[in-house]
Amino acid sequence: TQLLEQSPQFLSIQEGENLTVYCNSSSVFSSLQWYRQEPGEGPVLLVTVVTGGEVKKLKRLTFQFGDARKDSSLHITAAQPGDTGLYLCAGTLNDYKLSFGAGTTVTVRA
Amino acid sequence: NAGVTQTPKFRILKIGQSMTLQCAQDMNHNYMYWYRQDPGMGLKLIYYSVGAGITDKGEVPNGYNVSRSTTEDFPLRLELAAPSQTSVYFCASRDGQRLNYGYTFGSGTRLTVV
Repeated sequence: TQLLEQSPQFLSIQEGENLTVYCNSSSVFSSLQWYRQEPGEGPVLLVTVVTGGEVKKLKRLTFQFGDARKDSSLHITAAQPGDTGLYLCAGTLNDYKLSFGAGTTVTVRA
Repeated sequence: NAGVTQTPKFRILKIGQSMTLQCAQDMNHNYMYWYRQDPGMGLKLIYYSVGAGITDKGEVPNGYNVSRSTTEDFPLRLELAAPSQTSVYFCASRDGQRLNYGYTFGSGTRLTVV
């Protein structure tokens, strides 16, 4: 079983639409990160959230950390084909290691 | 800055063969990690190291070994390769002084065991 559950597993939308990806757990995390991975490459960090209730914006991407630090969401406004990729959430408990969700594959059609 | 460099990018092994996946970073990071990625499963931690001479097991260490003789290098050894080890392997590093900073990943090694 995954420590972090991501939903949905796959998402296909038209350019210009909005989308939200969810990351949920029963554990409390000291921090949570979102990565994007493109085919043939390693994951690349998008954002780190640390404080419960925190909201961070990165251009058209909005990241939220739940008040209890057990869940997070990634919202993309007016998606573009360049947003296509595998989105991974990853959390740190109280140690040196990141635990990853299974990922959400996002496809934005032109 | 090269970041994290992994070699080789692709490899095909026969069952029972051995090989070493190389990983080097030039950012003077203390923390280094090996993950494997299988379709629909996310990344699973194999081994990690918090500094030269210190290594520890992750979630899925069976069939693998590591060493960390220098800060820069963290090779992953596969002994007696099995089909279950077919996967994409990623090495990553992190600045140990900044616990909430992200990992820097290499571009991966795609391994097929036949």
